[in-house]
Amino acid sequence: RKEVEQDPGPFNVPEGATVAFNCTYSNSASQSFFWYRQDCRKEPKLLMSVYSSGNEDGRFTAQLNRASQYISLLIRDSKLSDSATYLCVVNLDTGRRALTFGSGTRLQVQP
Amino acid sequence: GAGVSQSPRYKVAKRGQDVALRCDPISGHVSLFWYQQALGQGPEFLTYFQNEAQLDKSGLPSDRFFAERPEGSVSTLKIQRTQQEDSAVYLCASSLLNEQFFGPGTRLTVL
Repeated sequence: RKEVEQDPGPFNVPEGATVAFNCTYSNSASQSFFWYRQDCRKEPKLLMSVYSSGNEDGRFTAQLNRASQYISLLIRDSKLSDSATYLCVVNLDTGRRALTFGSGTRLQVQP
Repeated sequence: GAGVSQSPRYKVAKRGQDVALRCDPISGHVSLFWYQQALGQGPEFLTYFQNEAQLDKSGLPSDRFFAERPEGSVSTLKIQRTQQEDSAVYLCASSLLNEQFFGPGTRLTVL
């Protein structure tokens, strides 16, 4: 079983739609959680950190459920420019700084 | 300021050849990471440096992989006797505090 699991998609949605991605992680000792965005043939870039209380950044809302070991990302009012792969990322231990990535969920926003 | 740079951007090697991949981190960033990203997968951790010290090399897949950062800035990932399964994008990331900033990667193809 992979340490971080995501639905690979693709999610094909029209402009203006709301779309949600989910992710589960296996290690209950995980400390930090992130969503990264990766465009085709580009490097991953941090989209947002995920906090236990949930957090919002414009059209993007991230939620963390530690009891269920579940992370979500909600994108409202999708734009064409949101088309990318969204990577769920976990840091397993504060002493070990390596990030553990899911395989990513591909989003295609269509006009 | 410049971001993380990597060279070469593309490398084609014949099976059995040695390759060296270079990473120039963001100036002043203490931490440096190497990740391997296979097609359709998320990046997987290889190794981590804090300044010149290699603190974690648990992700290196075999003893054919070797990384160094002798002066605490530029790092080189060396792969000896390349195999076809080494074909991937090799990403370097640097960080000062928590956020990791990724370079564009080196796409290695082993024929």
